[in-house]
Amino acid sequence: LAKTTQPISMDSYEGQEVNITCSHNNIATNDYITWYQQFPSQGPRFIIQGYKTKVTNEVASLFIPADRKSSTLSLPRVSLSDTAVYYCLVRRMDSSYKLIFGSGTRLLVRP
Amino acid sequence: SAVISQKPSRDICQRGTSLTIQCQVDSQVTMMFWYRQQPGQSLTLIATANQGSEATYESGFVIDKFPISRPNLTFSTLTVSNMSPEDSSIYLCSGGAPSSQETQYFGPGTRLLVL
Repeated sequence: LAKTTQPISMDSYEGQEVNITCSHNNIATNDYITWYQQFPSQGPRFIIQGYKTKVTNEVASLFIPADRKSSTLSLPRVSLSDTAVYYCLVRRMDSSYKLIFGSGTRLLVRP
Repeated sequence: SAVISQKPSRDICQRGTSLTIQCQVDSQVTMMFWYRQQPGQSLTLIATANQGSEATYESGFVIDKFPISRPNLTFSTLTVSNMSPEDSSIYLCSGGAPSSQETQYFGPGTRLLVL
């Protein structure tokens, strides 16, 4: 599975848009990009998943360029409750279905 | 979606003993997994729990240390055997199905402290 690289930490303020970029240079044709969120003392929670271009749901948007070697998770108008660790993962669509977690990005939202 | 529960939520154990962690899913899932997470660190995949057959372990993890059972599509157990303080960690299970429309759902984790 392709290794992912993302910033270790980010700071933001309430109401701002936050963009977290992840690089996955060795992504394969049948790999999807998946983002998870984890709060302290909880298991990770699925945020969004995409293959190419742009995906949007009620929580976030995911931008994936044509070469798919990177992706950007966009959180619109963050609040204090968005303070969490965000993991970018490459998910292979085969029978293994494994998720390999990278180091994640610690997002701190300040008032 | 699937809701996953784990028992116990936390435990304090003595060195040399074993602890079995239970993972229950409220709906049938094709795949179940066990992870370990040290405080402040990322998750490390321990193994894939296969129904009706032996689990598939990742590099660095062995069946003698982490025996896993999965008797049906909604339940799995992970045993941490012959524990040492280095086994102190959070253990999480997850479940899901290999489909582009679905993803893995995680339990809340079991916090283990070995003295």
